Amino acid sequence: AQRVTQPEKLLSVFKGAPVELKCNYSYSGSPELFWYVQYSRQRLQLLLRHISRESIKGFTADLNKGETSFHLKKPFAQEEDSAMYYCALRPLNFNKFYFGSGTKLNVKP
Amino acid sequence: DVKVTQSSRYLVKRTGEKVFLECVQDMDHENMFWYRQDPGLGLRLIYFSYDVKMKEKGDIPEGYSVSREKKERFSLILESASTNQTSMYLCASGTGTSNQPQHFGDGTRLSIL
Repeated sequence: AQRVTQPEKLLSVFKGAPVELKCNYSYSGSPELFWYVQYSRQRLQLLLRHISRESIKGFTADLNKGETSFHLKKPFAQEEDSAMYYCALRPLNFNKFYFGSGTKLNVKP
Repeated sequence: DVKVTQSSRYLVKRTGEKVFLECVQDMDHENMFWYRQDPGLGLRLIYFSYDVKMKEKGDIPEGYSVSREKKERFSLILESASTNQTSMYLCASGTGTSNQPQHFGDGTRLSIL
């Protein structure tokens, strides 16, 4: 069965420190993977998707099929990065998305 | 830009009431979804629909039903509200195309007293 695991409920870092939000998935096929972000009092919005291989707001995520991971990374965290982050998987040719339980990132000044 | 609109940001209802949450999207998306969002539990799928009048159960459908009479509108119904249905409810829409994301509404914070 498909599953997305975000092992950290809360991650606190200081401004300027590197940050890595972990995401592991279980799926036997080729997954479509996404990171979503929800800032305080805002709607959940797409941050990036693995197919794009781009950097958004300084964040990148690499799909590692061997480790079945899609960790989100940023070399220098900013206070405005404080938010809730969700990793999501969509199995190929499925309409349904599977979300992790989320990681709250707190960037301290 | 995709717009997913949920009819209420905040709603307070009483136990036993029938509650309707409405969601409208303006991008002609085939798929629409209802989730509830609870601290520590993330997003849990209640129901989704991939076409008009079609629906499929998600992970936690008990106590809920849905209606999709028009492509742009997806309604979530709490048949007889209970206090354990107090939560944030998120509506989303998306296409069936590969690697296309879901787009979310602002959410409805529902309190059942």
